[in-house]
Amino acid sequence: QQQVKQSPQSLIVQKGGIPIINCAYENTAFDYFPWYQQFPGKGPALLIAIRPDVSEKKEGRFTISFNKSAKQFSLHIMDSQPGDSATYFCAASISPGLTGGGNKLTFGTGTQLKVEL
Amino acid sequence: SAVISQKPSRDICQRGTSLTIQCQVDSQVTMMFWYRQQPGQSLTLIATANQGSEATYESGFVIDKFPISRPNLTFSTLTVSNMSPEDSSIYLCSVEASTYEQYFGPGTRLTVT
Repeated sequence: QQQVKQSPQSLIVQKGGIPIINCAYENTAFDYFPWYQQFPGKGPALLIAIRPDVSEKKEGRFTISFNKSAKQFSLHIMDSQPGDSATYFCAASISPGLTGGGNKLTFGTGTQLKVEL
Repeated sequence: SAVISQKPSRDICQRGTSLTIQCQVDSQVTMMFWYRQQPGQSLTLIATANQGSEATYESGFVIDKFPISRPNLTFSTLTVSNMSPEDSSIYLCSVEASTYEQYFGPGTRLTVT
């Protein structure tokens, strides 16, 4: 059962454009939603994360929009650059809280982004 | 964020053999995780390694196939046992920061022939 659905699978934008990657989740217990960027041959790098008590979060050129009622969240990359060409993964988890057990991430299927000059 | 290293970075192994992957972090962390990423695919959690207790495995992964050690707060190993070509993947360790943020190592690319 895929708990986090990500789209599109691939995306090509022109330099300066605003690519948008969307994710939808099923488990309403999820309360932590990070985005990761992965370059070929490297491990995923944490970009930005959001919790459901806010609808938007910005860090530099990266913005997460969150819609709790629709169980959807998206990543926007402002003024995209060729160096942003990478695979982006959304993820979701249930904070372990007092029970411990670790913040186990469920990943989306990934979006391969290419930013052209 | 933590600095995480993995050894080896890549290996080619014969079927039926075992490989142990090491993960080292530059600071003490309670939770470490092991993920598998098949070529061009997403990441799947194998197990959670909490120092001082047995690793907790996700559905579809068993200790006999993927034994994990966590001897201290900066180190963990994952062994891929009795390998088959289906085990060819990238294996990634990650650590959890105090704020629940998770940081990944560079990965170990395993090819089983």
